[in-house]
Amino acid sequence: EAGVTQSPTHLIKTRGQQATLRCSPISGHTSVYWYQQALGLGLQFLLWYDEGEERNRGNFPPRFSGRQFPNYSSELNVNALELEDSALYLCASSLGWTGVNQPQHFGDGTRLSIL
Amino acid sequence: DQQVKQNSPSLSVQEGRISILNCDYTNSMFDYFLWYKKYPAEGPTFLISISSIKDKNEDGRFTVFLNKSAKHLSLHIVPSQPGDSAVYFCAALQGGSEKLVFGKGMKLTVNP
Repeated sequence: EAGVTQSPTHLIKTRGQQATLRCSPISGHTSVYWYQQALGLGLQFLLWYDEGEERNRGNFPPRFSGRQFPNYSSELNVNALELEDSALYLCASSLGWTGVNQPQHFGDGTRLSIL
Repeated sequence: DQQVKQNSPSLSVQEGRISILNCDYTNSMFDYFLWYKKYPAEGPTFLISISSIKDKNEDGRFTVFLNKSAKHLSLHIVPSQPGDSAVYFCAALQGGSEKLVFGKGMKLTVNP
């Protein structure tokens, strides 16, 4: 069974540009989550998508946005990039709500570097 | 305010012995707890979880214990193997939010 896949592995941008990161969940998973791991900081929750809808977002500015497609894959868009956006962005997926809590399974991340 | 704390940054144990990793939390609304293992240049790998209605969950060499009154959980690895050497993250979730809150991680080294 293929795990969560993310692309690209690395992305280099300059200040003010836009970045698009992509994620394909595990087959059968309907929920997709995005997390940011900046240098020296822990994993911070960014966004949760389920069945195409944004269900929850963390404490990040609106220039962080995304969407989920009908095939449950997802994009994370970061507009007006700033130096502090340099981080590892991790995508996770889960079965979504089934009546019991389900673990989130992570991809290997996209390393975004802002020059 | 850090809601999930892993107070020890590292632990070193001998192969075959028990590894005990600890985690404390402050939010009493958390009702689901997970442990992840992370190797360099890879994403976190799910290890084991426990619901707040239980106090113990076991999966092979891994056992997680939850003490709700103390807001404390621990991961026991028995016997420890060199391949267990990694960074371990404790995470907690409040049902409905699906927002995992992570500790800062602890590096486990298992020496042959």
